[in-house]
Amino acid sequence: EAQVTQNPRYLITVTGKKLTVTCSQNMNHEYMSWYRQDPGLGLRQIYYSMNVEVTDKGDVPEGYKVSRKEKRNFPLILESPSPNQTSLYFCASSYSTGFEETQYFGPGTRLLVL
Amino acid sequence: DQQVKQNSPSLSVQEGRISILNCDYTNSMFDYFLWYKKYPAEGPTFLISISSIKDKNEDGRFTVFLNKSAKHLSLHIVPSQPGDSAVYFCAAKSAGNMLTFGGGTRLMVKP
Repeated sequence: EAQVTQNPRYLITVTGKKLTVTCSQNMNHEYMSWYRQDPGLGLRQIYYSMNVEVTDKGDVPEGYKVSRKEKRNFPLILESPSPNQTSLYFCASSYSTGFEETQYFGPGTRLLVL
Repeated sequence: DQQVKQNSPSLSVQEGRISILNCDYTNSMFDYFLWYKKYPAEGPTFLISISSIKDKNEDGRFTVFLNKSAKHLSLHIVPSQPGDSAVYFCAAKSAGNMLTFGGGTRLMVKP
């Protein structure tokens, strides 16, 4: 089954404790991205990657890191999480960066930073 | 400031009637518009899209209308079904693959 998977689905942590949220897609997609969803603000893009070893900042990159060492994986790293990073996170992928390409979203990771 | 706005946080409609969800945008560079649907505990799923060269796109019960001069688009669902109850996000692209989302509208379809 074609899908985007994220782990963990739920995470409670404390301020300053490094964490990684994994994202994997099995569709051989070139493009992958991370979003965060906050009430009333919709989804905002954190980082994106157009291919292996190519990453770039989205709208809200502060406090996050990403890497794209393999085509299928795009982990999101919070080196020193803070309470304002409490949010619902979505990973997405698409076949290419074409203008009309549809992005497929993972199921989400709900993060609470205490 | 948000470039894509959905001014109605929620909408309640009777089963069988029309649901109309609205979206306004400010960036005139947006050229492609999409609607995503999201159920609880799931990621958004693509519903329908429209290019700025069109003013209407239809797919079964779903129709999206685009009014470029007013910078406004709407999603019509006819007839509405209880399974359509979800949060609907409007999104826009200006270049490449970056999506700018609205805040979402929660649609409740009552049996």
